[in-house]
Amino acid sequence: SQQGEEDPQALSIQEGENATMNCSYKTSINNLQWYRQNSGRGLVHLILIRSNEREKHSGRLRVTLDTSKKSSSLLITASRAADTASYFCGGTSYGKLTFGQGTILTVHP
Amino acid sequence: GAGVSQTPSNKVTEKGKYVELRCDPISGHTALYWYRQSLGQGPEFLIYFQGTGAADDSGLPNDRFFAVRPEGSVSTLKIQRTERGDSAVYLCASSLRAGGNEQYFGPGTRLTVT
Repeated sequence: SQQGEEDPQALSIQEGENATMNCSYKTSINNLQWYRQNSGRGLVHLILIRSNEREKHSGRLRVTLDTSKKSSSLLITASRAADTASYFCGGTSYGKLTFGQGTILTVHP
Repeated sequence: GAGVSQTPSNKVTEKGKYVELRCDPISGHTALYWYRQSLGQGPEFLIYFQGTGAADDSGLPNDRFFAVRPEGSVSTLKIQRTERGDSAVYLCASSLRAGGNEQYFGPGTRLTVT
């Protein structure tokens, strides 16, 4: 069964704009990981945030984690057409990742 | 270094046949995971190994599914008496060790059962 939900399910923006995706989860987690997926194949690891962290940055990515609300957000700044993909969050609990259904991001040039 | 590799990339089989899917993890990674992803869904956990032993197989849907990792490196996911509902992309991932580390995914095997 799915751990949680991503919001929105689909997001369409113009190049240069920021994209924000949210993720909620149901059970306690050790960490939360964000992934990008193109064309329904392998997932590319973007960033991991641990349960005792509140915010983390990596290049144009900013991730927040609120364990009291069981939610996380991924912000992509200054988006590019190449950022077009599906984005998934996965909570790690007892070793395994449990994913939501993902957000489909489309960045128009 | 090389990432996670999976073979074959695509597999078409007839209902009722047996299939094996192979995963080569990143060298030195002790934990290996199998997930299954249906169209429009997020990946769903099947099983993971820490070393040679299956640490958690709670995601295997039924006893037609089995996975091994005899030497603690390469793993094979085996599906007996395949059904059309088994059609999906099977993803493998590995991490340094189970628990708090990043999981790195392979490109997946697209299984189609006709």
